[in-house]
Amino acid sequence: DAKTTQPPSMDCAEGRAANLPCNHSTISGNEYVYWYRQIHSQGPQYIIHGLKNNETNEMASLIITEDRKSSTLILPHATLRDTAVYYCIVRVAGNYGQNFVFGPGTRLSVLP
Amino acid sequence: AAGVIQSPRHLIKEKRETATLKCYPIPRHDTVYWYQQGPGQDPQFLISFYEKMQSDKGSIPDRFSAQQFSDYHSELNMSSLELGDSALYFCASSFQDVLYEQYFGPGTRLTVT
Repeated sequence: DAKTTQPPSMDCAEGRAANLPCNHSTISGNEYVYWYRQIHSQGPQYIIHGLKNNETNEMASLIITEDRKSSTLILPHATLRDTAVYYCIVRVAGNYGQNFVFGPGTRLSVLP
Repeated sequence: AAGVIQSPRHLIKEKRETATLKCYPIPRHDTVYWYQQGPGQDPQFLISFYEKMQSDKGSIPDRFSAQQFSDYHSELNMSSLELGDSALYFCASSFQDVLYEQYFGPGTRLTVT
């Protein structure tokens, strides 16, 4: 089962910042938070990941609360091409390694 | 930059047939992951390989098997295909199995009729 909860859908006006929240209240101290997105039927695309410090790259910013129980992905200037399902993922310990458990994610619609 | 390559991109099989999906990871990546995404569903982890050894197993049916070869490419073999196996199959690769982000291929769309 996914260790994260996200709102099922969000709308954002084109050109505005999109702020996507994620709750991961059971996260362990050494577990990273990853964000991926999937544009219709394409392979999921890596966006960003972080442990406890805020992170920024050319795609987005990741804000992680001090207690690490939640985070927010920020797309600073959303475009129509950012319409996708956004997944917040905490790796789940498997038998030998760490698995990604997807779902259910937030369906972001960027509106003109 | 080179990406993950999957072949074929589309595959149509009949019930009870077999199918083989191939995945070529990004150069220098040593870990491969397979995911299945049914219609309207989220990707589900099937199996992963690190340095040619199975590193973890998810919800992979017993009818499916996979391996990673010496050149790090991987193949997913599916036998006794069922209608419910119709899905997008994604392969992802990463450098080492721990902490590093996974890069996904474009997927293989398998249709079982």
